Amino acid sequence: AQSVSQHNHHVILSEAASLELGCNYSYGGTVNLFWYVQYPGQHLQLLLKYFSGDPLVKGIKGFEAEFIKSKFSFNLRKPSVQWSDTAEYFCAVTANQAGTALIFGKGTTLSVSS
Amino acid sequence: EPEVTQTPSHQVTQMGQEVILRCVPISNHLYFYWYRQILGQKVEFLVSFYNNEISEKSEIFDDQFSVERPDGSNFTLKIRSTKLEDSAMYFCASNNPGYEQFFGPGTRLTVL
Repeated sequence: AQSVSQHNHHVILSEAASLELGCNYSYGGTVNLFWYVQYPGQHLQLLLKYFSGDPLVKGIKGFEAEFIKSKFSFNLRKPSVQWSDTAEYFCAVTANQAGTALIFGKGTTLSVSS
Repeated sequence: EPEVTQTPSHQVTQMGQEVILRCVPISNHLYFYWYRQILGQKVEFLVSFYNNEISEKSEIFDDQFSVERPDGSNFTLKIRSTKLEDSAMYFCASNNPGYEQFFGPGTRLTVL
């Protein structure tokens, strides 16, 4: 069955600490991968995406993620977090075909203290 | 910047009542979606819609649910007879082939 696993439910960091959020997926065929972020009281916004090409993708606000096909992983990283990064982060996967469902992980809540 | 909009932001209804959740996708997008997120759980796919037809639906999307594009701008989700377990945040999304899905702010449905 298609699924996405996010290893961390809640991560607590101090400002300037480095961040890595794990994501593994189970999905047959060619995939597109995403990280979405949901800031408190706001809707889901795209942080970054991987469709093809360079497996290291850069997104907004200094985030990046690396697609490792052999490990079925798409981990999210940021070298130095800020208080404003406090949010919920969702990894998602879909088939490389228009109109197909996004399969989401359960999400990771990131709390950054100043 | 164009965005997906949803109304209402919060809907409270009695069990057994019908509700219609409304979405206005981004105007030049071709694919439309509904997702839901029960409190404390992950975002779950309900249905996708293209060219006035359902293109994919999940097991959750049973006969109680229906979708419609009644005009050139709106995309609706109808729940015929709401149950307590339908209480959730419902998200609409839209996209074009080769691009990410853009999400609306959600409608919080509370079934009493």
